[in-house]
Amino acid sequence: NAGVMQNPRHLVRRRGQEARLRCSPMKGHSHVYWYRQLPEEGLKFMVYLQKENIIDESGMPKERFSAEFPKEGPSILRIQQVVRGDSAAYFCASSAVAAPGTDTQYFGPGTRLTVL
Amino acid sequence: GQSLEQPSEVTAVEGAIVQINCTYQTSGFYGLSWYQQHDGGAPTFLSYNALDGLEETGRFSSFLSRSDSYGYLLLQELQMKDSASYFCAVMDSSYKLIFGSGTRLLVRP
Repeated sequence: NAGVMQNPRHLVRRRGQEARLRCSPMKGHSHVYWYRQLPEEGLKFMVYLQKENIIDESGMPKERFSAEFPKEGPSILRIQQVVRGDSAAYFCASSAVAAPGTDTQYFGPGTRLTVL
Repeated sequence: GQSLEQPSEVTAVEGAIVQINCTYQTSGFYGLSWYQQHDGGAPTFLSYNALDGLEETGRFSSFLSRSDSYGYLLLQELQMKDSASYFCAVMDSSYKLIFGSGTRLLVRP
């Protein structure tokens, strides 16, 4: 059973370009979470999605960032007009259910975004 | 606000026991988790406590006291490969994980 897949693993963009990060959850998982990690810091929640629904986007910047989890295909985190401060590792996690105490979030390998 | 506090760095020798503490203040609490992360790697789930007490999994144990908003991760028989960052995380009322800033563990021979 494959784990959480993320691609690309490394992404380099120039300021002003767009970055698209993809996440395929574990088989059977329908809940996807995106987190951002700056160097030497903990992970910060960005957004929680289920298929075709954004459940909680309280951690996502209001501008330039968007996320989706379509009926078919991977979840996409999109960053428009990237700036140097967007350079970070972006991790996706998935779980089978969201009921507390009954499931664990499993993390993908992350996408390391570098903005030049 | 929501916050988790844990020491920034801990050093121990191979074969020893080390305890990493975590105190939390969050809106809603559904459990305390611990994750391990090696440099450049992904967080790997270690343990989860929803109820007070000690959970043991091999060389790793995790403890929770909800009344004290406190937990710890205990690592026994330390090995060099245990050198990594360890994060405590609370699942809040909306099912997202709130992470601490991490404790960097250095295991020396």
